[in-house]
Amino acid sequence: SAVISQKPSRDICQRGTSLTIQCQVDSQVTMMFWYRQQPGQSLTLIATANQGSEATYESGFVIDKFPISRPNLTFSTLTVSNMSPEDSSIYLCSVDGTSGIGSTDTQYFGPGTRLTVL
Amino acid sequence: QKEVEQNSGPLSVPEGAIASLNCTYSDRVSQSFFWYRQYSGKSPELIMSIYSNGDKEDGRFTAQLNKASQYVSLLIRDSQPSDSATYLCAPVSGGATNKLIFGTGTLLAVQP
Repeated sequence: SAVISQKPSRDICQRGTSLTIQCQVDSQVTMMFWYRQQPGQSLTLIATANQGSEATYESGFVIDKFPISRPNLTFSTLTVSNMSPEDSSIYLCSVDGTSGIGSTDTQYFGPGTRLTVL
Repeated sequence: QKEVEQNSGPLSVPEGAIASLNCTYSDRVSQSFFWYRQYSGKSPELIMSIYSNGDKEDGRFTAQLNKASQYVSLLIRDSQPSDSATYLCAPVSGGATNKLIFGTGTLLAVQP
């Protein structure tokens, strides 16, 4: 089965700085998703990233704050820009099942990145 | 009304009992439904999917779907302390992308 990894696994950052989170899959996938999970909350979709096109952002999330790259079918990055303590959260990438991991509308999650902003 | 509603719990059941987790959703177009398990500090893990009305069994897990009532549930038989986790219901939205809409999750505590 596919392996999804994220880097870093956790980080502590200062207010006003930016952090880029990497998501790597060991097989090609069509769609990659970025979620945020704030403490004690469920998952909120930030954006959908397809290779070769601009990411599609959900309501309340903008490209200037969360720029996303998707250079190929196995890799994506999410940058959290100009961070504030409210950005402290777990950030998760997920991939769909089109590579044979599962059905096409199934999503599998990476281990997450725990971000703390001071 | 929230798009996906779950009782936050905690739902406490004794070891060996049946745990029943419920979920209602508002998007009538949703055709696919998933249950994820999330242990504290870990990422969600897919445990069940269901697409058709009725029951689907996989080991100790049974998912039940009633699209007319916009209701999906998960039964865990012979509950074990290792089943203690948050269970997230996630219908796929009816839009163009395969977007999952997550509920807030139900915390299950299985008492030994």
